[in-house]
Amino acid sequence: QSALTQPASVSGSPGQSITISCTGTSSDVGGSNYVSWYQQHPGKAPKFLFSHVTNRPSGVSNRFSGSKSGNTASLTISGLQAEDEADYYCSSYTTSDTVVFGGGTKLTVL
Amino acid sequence: EVQLLESGGGLVQPGGSLRLSCAASGFSFASYAMSWVRQAPGKGLEWVSAISGSGGSAYYAGSVRGRFTISRDNSKNTLYLQMNSLRAEDTAVYYCTKDADYTGTHGGVFDIWGQGTVVTVSS
Repeated sequence: QSALTQPASVSGSPGQSITISCTGTSSDVGGSNYVSWYQQHPGKAPKFLFSHVTNRPSGVSNRFSGSKSGNTASLTISGLQAEDEADYYCSSYTTSDTVVFGGGTKLTVL
Repeated sequence: EVQLLESGGGLVQPGGSLRLSCAASGFSFASYAMSWVRQAPGKGLEWVSAISGSGGSAYYAGSVRGRFTISRDNSKNTLYLQMNSLRAEDTAVYYCTKDADYTGTHGGVFDIWGQGTVVTVSS
């Protein structure tokens, strides 16, 4: 199972919005309701942001939102803040009952 | 407070074995599927294995199938990962994760993560 495709890096200025894409296939993103996003700060464990079928956990800002169309899911962060600088990963349940992650995207807040 | 605490990591020689444990607290452990996810140094996340809430179903990534065995003891609220025939490429931080779905089935949405335990495979 190949990793989902994410851009290696994105950047934005404080207050701006950015979008990170996550592209897979019909065997994962396109065929799954269980696409999720995670945030990881350096040296820390990943943190669940939301999935496309579950509510956003309490404590996760509503500045984080997502969408899915076909084989591509997207994470949008609005009103960028300095603390949003981190690595972001998408993941998807697959038709083989496995889970595949994206390669990760490093977000830089300029 | 929902918490996952991994242990059992360390340095092991290629071909060796190691057993990781994950102690869970703050939620109804048997109601949730659990997974192990690893991260090699400087690399991205890789799902390793999952087990249903009852322990009756287990799932593995192709890279570890036949070498790793996931299990759980619901009476002890503990998840395990037995790792045999270890290779250099198994070197990683291993995270214990809780599935978000309360039905106990494996759905691959990980809403709680432990702090990780480091496994180093080297001679």
